[in-house]
Amino acid sequence: AQTVTQSQPEMSVQEAETVTLSCTYDTSESDYYLFWYKQPPSRQMILVIRQEAYKQQNATENRFSVNFQKAAKSFSLKISDSQLGDAAMYFCAYGLGETSGSRLTFGEGTQLTVNP
Amino acid sequence: DTAVSQTPKYLVTQMGNDKSIKCEQNLGHDTMYWYKQDSKKFLKIMFSYNNKELIINETVPNRFSPKSPDKAHLNLHINSLELGDSAVYFCASSQKRRYQETQYFGPGTRLLVL
Repeated sequence: AQTVTQSQPEMSVQEAETVTLSCTYDTSESDYYLFWYKQPPSRQMILVIRQEAYKQQNATENRFSVNFQKAAKSFSLKISDSQLGDAAMYFCAYGLGETSGSRLTFGEGTQLTVNP
Repeated sequence: DTAVSQTPKYLVTQMGNDKSIKCEQNLGHDTMYWYKQDSKKFLKIMFSYNNKELIINETVPNRFSPKSPDKAHLNLHINSLELGDSAVYFCASSQKRRYQETQYFGPGTRLLVL
């Protein structure tokens, strides 16, 4: 079974600084996908970024980028120029490349605090 | 326009009652999911439907019964509610493709069983 581990229950960063959230996963599959979701106090699950395992290039979305190390099964999220609105719980998730009904397996989450 | 919506947002009820949560998506997706987020914020898949067909059924008590009347709707009915059912329930949807599709989540339904 696939597992996802986020070893940092809490992180904090100063506004405008950069922070990196860690995620490791365990799988024997070669075709899979990785996601970072953000959950602010409103509880809404918001997709931040996604990475296809077959792509060597790291995904980026504006201030958000990932460091995907397939051999090490590591998928960290870097947030640059942190803003107060980035404060949230961040979840790393793994999805298998199945042709139907791919469940997401989530990590335990990292609570990010942004200090003004 | 809300992409994935759930009703109600909050549900407070007594042990032993039966309750339903409704989910609707207007994204044209063909796959819908129910996830449960427990008090420690851990998210876990419960069910998934593709074109109204049940395709994922995790180890969930029989008291939980999903129903998908059409591709755009997935409801969750819970019988004989127990204290341990208190959680946030998220509906999600995606479009089945050859590769992993991105799942979009609803706002969640916070269920509190007293």
